[in-house]
Amino acid sequence: GNSVTQMEGPVTLSEEAFLTINCTYTATGYPSLFWYVQYPGEGLQLLLKATKADDKGSNKGFEATYRKETTSFHLEKGSVQVSDSAVYFCALTGSSNTGKLIFGQGTTLQVKP
Amino acid sequence: NAGVTQTPKFQVLKTGQSMTLQCAQDMNHEYMSWYRQDPGMGLRLIHYSVGAGITDQGEVPNGYNVSRSTTEDFPLRLLSAAPSQTSVYFCASSPPRTGVFYNEQFFGPGTRLTVL
Repeated sequence: GNSVTQMEGPVTLSEEAFLTINCTYTATGYPSLFWYVQYPGEGLQLLLKATKADDKGSNKGFEATYRKETTSFHLEKGSVQVSDSAVYFCALTGSSNTGKLIFGQGTTLQVKP
Repeated sequence: NAGVTQTPKFQVLKTGQSMTLQCAQDMNHEYMSWYRQDPGMGLRLIHYSVGAGITDQGEVPNGYNVSRSTTEDFPLRLLSAAPSQTSVYFCASSPPRTGVFYNEQFFGPGTRLTVL
């Protein structure tokens, strides 16, 4: 079945450091891929998405490219801020009509000043 | 728009008690779903609905019941609470797929449930 695997956290970085959070997936057909962010005490918010191979999603300085050949959707940011501290979830929807999201286990990012 | 609202924010139950977690959205979204979030396991789908009167099971449906009588509301019922149902519960909604593209899901703020 479909699945998502994320790198284990927590990830601790200093402010202005480069961020990569790895995400790989297993899916049949042509899934859409998403990154969601959860700030402390809040629900999930969509950070970015990509709906077909080689698409690049971007938002708030974060980027991720849909790589079908490596089944990956790694999240990157060139210079993190303390306010980026949150839990990041990679997710996919399969080829069915329901749009059900399948999530990775989440990666906690802590940015220190 | 209030978006997706959930009540209550916190709840403590005793084993065997029943309760209903409320979820409502004012965006006229057809698709709604319930997830539970547990440490190290991401979010797992409990039940979902693609429209009023239509519901289906997700990955972890046992011990939970849902109904969808209106587009706006999608309550989740715990029939007989167990400690294993201690979790944070999120409701989400989404418009239906646009062609081949899946639309984003909008999440509520969550309900933190403890079962003693």
